[in-house]
Amino acid sequence: GENVEQHPSTLSVQEGDSAVIKCTYSDSASNYFPWYKQELGKGPQLIIDIRSNVGEKKDQRIAVTLNKTAKHFSLHITETQPEDSAVYFCAASKSNYQLIWGAGTKLIIKP
Amino acid sequence: SQTIHQWPATLVQPVGSPLSLECTVEGTSNPNLYWYRQAAGRGLQLLFYSVGIGQISSEVPQNLSASRPQDRQFILSSKKLLLSDSGFYLCAWRAGTGYTFGSGTRLTVV
Repeated sequence: GENVEQHPSTLSVQEGDSAVIKCTYSDSASNYFPWYKQELGKGPQLIIDIRSNVGEKKDQRIAVTLNKTAKHFSLHITETQPEDSAVYFCAASKSNYQLIWGAGTKLIIKP
Repeated sequence: SQTIHQWPATLVQPVGSPLSLECTVEGTSNPNLYWYRQAAGRGLQLLFYSVGIGQISSEVPQNLSASRPQDRQFILSSKKLLLSDSGFYLCAWRAGTGYTFGSGTRLTVV
């Protein structure tokens, strides 16, 4: 079955710098790759997603890139701000299958 | 619009006591519903999912059970809680490929 690995488990960056979180997946048939942000004491919220027919997607300061050949995808946050501090989860799935989750990355933005 | 309600937000229960967490969704019909658990500082562990009334799939054998008595209601239960059942419980529903999560229940078993 599908397996998703996420790195790093903790990432600390200076406010204003960029942050990159990486995930790899094992099932080449996976075609949907969302990223979720979980703030303390809350449920995860979808922040951006990408499908396998697209290589990159941007939404303001957030972007996701997908390399199907290497089976990895990454979340990029530019000009980080204190409110970006949270736990970020990647996931992967095939059509009509369950999401398989990464273990999460705790992002700390240092003032 | 679609919304998901989960309660209670916080719960402290003694070991051996029963548990009932409820999740309801509005604004959609026949949703796929999920129960996840998060231990402190850990990832999301899928406990149960349901594709319809009375249909429950268990991902991890444990001290918990789930039921779906109505299309938009999903209940997580236990007859006797263990210390290891402590954690953050999340209900979610799926529309298409995206998941929408509830606000979670923080369960502490003492």
